[in-house]
Amino acid sequence: DSGVTQTPKHLITATGQRVTLRCSPRSGDLSVYWYQQSLDQGLQFLIQYYNGEERAKGNILERFSAQQFPDLHSELNLSSLELGDSALYFCASSRAAGAYGYTFGSGTRLTVV
Amino acid sequence: GENVEQHPSTLSVQEGDSAVIKCTYSDSASNYFPWYKQELGKGPQLIIDIRSNVGEKKDQRIAVTLNKTAKHFSLHITETQPEDSAVYFCAASIDSGYSTLTFGKGTMLLVSP
Repeated sequence: DSGVTQTPKHLITATGQRVTLRCSPRSGDLSVYWYQQSLDQGLQFLIQYYNGEERAKGNILERFSAQQFPDLHSELNLSSLELGDSALYFCASSRAAGAYGYTFGSGTRLTVV
Repeated sequence: GENVEQHPSTLSVQEGDSAVIKCTYSDSASNYFPWYKQELGKGPQLIIDIRSNVGEKKDQRIAVTLNKTAKHFSLHITETQPEDSAVYFCAASIDSGYSTLTFGKGTMLLVSP
């Protein structure tokens, strides 16, 4: 157990729907990162939050949004889902805001049908 | 932004052989280079990292080398075992408070008994 908790583990939904993925970081970690993993694209950085504030943005679609709450857990919201959004979504956390010491959760597998 | 290329995409070796995975990066300012191992159904796990002030780092059967001039770094696994079978990702970043990891596309390592 890495200490980073992601729920749900699996999610199957229809095109056009909206889903919310949840991440609880390791105790003491202030940064949360979201990554999308697909077979052909590897691990793509979506967005980072540090202590409640958005810190960095990657290749995140406008249909996707995220936030980090005062208790430091984070949610990734995916809307108007398309077949191509099917992927593994990983959350990682770290103590500080930099790139050092990422710990990944076990991911949420999203299947859009 | 940073771009990380990783080769090979798949690597098959016999138990006891050595395995080498190579990565190149584009941003000469990058100074932090971690390697992650992802087993089936799990999130990536940090196995070793190196900073640009050293050329090589070793941890038991795993070593990483860095050539800053050529902008490439490699993972070396000696005396491979079946449990080394996994997907390995390299990554690069500027280790500051405003950077995130950019990952290569991964190498699937298969170790046959």
